[in-house]
Amino acid sequence: NAGVTQTPKFRILKIGQSMTLQCTQDMNHNYMYWYRQDPGMGLKLIYYSVGAGITDKGEVPNGYNVSRSTTEDFPLRLELAAPSQTSVYFCASNRELRVTQYFGPGTRLLVL
Amino acid sequence: DQQVKQNSPSLSVQEGRISILNCDYTNSMFDYFLWYKKYPAEGPTFLISISSIKDKNEDGRFTVFLNKSAKHLSLHIVPSQPGDSAVYFCAASGNSGGGADGLTFGKGTHLIIQP
Repeated sequence: NAGVTQTPKFRILKIGQSMTLQCTQDMNHNYMYWYRQDPGMGLKLIYYSVGAGITDKGEVPNGYNVSRSTTEDFPLRLELAAPSQTSVYFCASNRELRVTQYFGPGTRLLVL
Repeated sequence: DQQVKQNSPSLSVQEGRISILNCDYTNSMFDYFLWYKKYPAEGPTFLISISSIKDKNEDGRFTVFLNKSAKHLSLHIVPSQPGDSAVYFCAASGNSGGGADGLTFGKGTHLIIQP
C-alpha cells in the first residue's frame, strides 16, 4: 500500500493563477481531509469528505473548492491564488471516525 | 481562539532521559486525542492516541496521560533517543456534530534530544 499520496510536492504560483492539488489514497477509506499548515502553526482543516459525492467545509474553506467523485481521490482546487494561500497542504484519510488519520507527505505552495 | 494549546515551542532533553510534552485543551466536547510526530518536509506520523474513557495509554516507549478534569494531556517518552528529535503535535477530535472528526491541532513542540 502506498497510503496517502499527494502531487505535486512543490509549486510556485503567481497571484490570480489557479491550480489543483491532487490527493489519492489506496486504503479504501471513506473519510478524507485537507489541512493547511502555516509556519509555526498547527494544521487547520480546510475541507473534508465522508464518502464519494459528499464534501463539507472545515475551519478555513475560503478560496478553496473540493470534489470527491471516487473513494480514492480528493482533489483540492485553488481559484485566484493569493499570497495568503502560501502554506503547506496535507491530505489525510481514515477508515472510520475516532481512529487514526493517515497523512500524505504534503504539497508546499508558494504564491508570489 | 486556540482550542488546543501546546505552550512549549521547544524542549531539549538529554538522550536516555524522559521527555514530557504537554498539551491543554478548552473544548469539553473533545473526546479523542492523538499525538503526531513530524519531521521536516514530511507529513505527520501517528504516534499514540487516547480516548476520554481512559486516563492512560501505553505503546512501547510512549505513554499518553489524560486528565479530563484539568483538560490536560501529556506524552512521555522513555528513554529518549536521537531519532525522537522532531516536532510533536497534539490533536483532538470530538462529537461536536460538525467537521466529521476533522482534527484540531496545537502549534507543536520541537523536541531536541541532546547526545
